[in-house]
Amino acid sequence: NAGVTQTPKFQVLKTGQSMTLQCAQDMNHEYMSWYRQDPGMGLRLIHYSVGAGITDQGEVPNGYNVSRSTTEDFPLRLLSAAPSQTSVYFCASSEGGPRRIEQFFGPGTRLTVL
Amino acid sequence: AQSVTQLGSHVSVSEGALVLLRCNYSSSVPPYLFWYVQYPNQGLQLLLKYTSAATLVKGINGFEAEFKKSETSFHLTKPSAHMSDAAEYFCAVSENGGGSNYKLTFGKGTLLTVNP
Repeated sequence: NAGVTQTPKFQVLKTGQSMTLQCAQDMNHEYMSWYRQDPGMGLRLIHYSVGAGITDQGEVPNGYNVSRSTTEDFPLRLLSAAPSQTSVYFCASSEGGPRRIEQFFGPGTRLTVL
Repeated sequence: AQSVTQLGSHVSVSEGALVLLRCNYSSSVPPYLFWYVQYPNQGLQLLLKYTSAATLVKGINGFEAEFKKSETSFHLTKPSAHMSDAAEYFCAVSENGGGSNYKLTFGKGTLLTVNP
């Protein structure tokens, strides 16, 4: 298993540009989440999904959009990038049911918005 | 609502010394508690987790943590630090039971430096 994969690893955008951060998992996990990591802030939940077709907002959802059309993929869209969205983004997944305790994290995408 | 407080954003120890990283939590329901480690420019790796079984939890790389309900604490310890332990450590909490135990709330992290 590849686990949780994220692309790209690095990205530089200009203010106002749009882009999609890709996340995929091959573990047939029901739950998937997006977090952002900023210095001194820990990780904060952006959006999450409890299954295909079901998404909801986390702690810091503004400026981000998600959809979940398949179990495997959970892309994060920035519609109009802002410098405040400069961060490291992590995708995570976990099993459903009583084993949904442990989350597995991807390697991250480092995004810079100029 | 749940929250996590990690005391000390930076902890420095000598190689061979005790490692103690502090974590206090608040949760309106019984929690699941986690410690993750992040090495430079890498993702997060689970060190250990508490899920309402034994209060003393052993993890990878010789780390362990003790859940103390009366103190709402989940401090991480290792008897003897190794240079390879240098990393950032995150404490996290999620709800036990209910439908939200896949949403993690993280502390701000503690950077561990190990001096030779």
